[in-house]
Amino acid sequence: DAKTTQPTSMDCAEGRAANLPCNHSTISGNEYVYWYRQIHSQGPQYIIHGLKNNETNEMASLIITEDRKSSTLILPHATLRDTAVYYCIVSSSGAGSYQLTFGKGTKLSVIP
Amino acid sequence: GAGVSQSPSNKVTEKGKDVELRCDPISGHTALYWYRQSLGQGLEFLIYFQGNSAPDKSGLPSDRFSAERTGGSVSTLTIQRTQQEDSAVYLCASSLRTGTVGYNEQFFGPGTRLTVL
Repeated sequence: DAKTTQPTSMDCAEGRAANLPCNHSTISGNEYVYWYRQIHSQGPQYIIHGLKNNETNEMASLIITEDRKSSTLILPHATLRDTAVYYCIVSSSGAGSYQLTFGKGTKLSVIP
Repeated sequence: GAGVSQSPSNKVTEKGKDVELRCDPISGHTALYWYRQSLGQGLEFLIYFQGNSAPDKSGLPSDRFSAERTGGSVSTLTIQRTQQEDSAVYLCASSLRTGTVGYNEQFFGPGTRLTVL
């Protein structure tokens, strides 16, 4: 699976949009981009995933560049409860793609 | 319950003792995964079960680690002769389907924090 690069940490003011970038320049055609987050002392939580089109759900939006070499997770109105470590993961489809390789992620701090 | 549950939530043991960690996946999920997370680190894959297929044990760090999944549901991770470097949070996850269409939403339990003294 392709490697991802994320900033170590970010701050965001409460109520503002949080934009978390991820670089995955070696992504291949059958690889999806997944985002998970981990709130302190809890297990990781799935947020969203996408292949090449932008995606939106009740939690967040995912913007993937046309060349698919980078993406941005957007939390439209960050709250204090969104403070967590956010992981960008690239994983291929097909048999054997079950492992999720979590890196260090981005520690997002939402500030009152 | 609706989510993945794990027990115990915390386990303190002495070096050299054996420990068993339990995971109850979401009902109907055919895939089950074990990961571990050392302090300040990302998740490390340990083992994967899919239905009745032979498990993928490629992530187990040594032969002191083993896992089983009885009846396609509950799983137990066993660590024999624990060492201090085994101290970590052990996370279990389950998913409804795996890999067929690139959709791999895994639902994680709260983890078991293992401390080996």
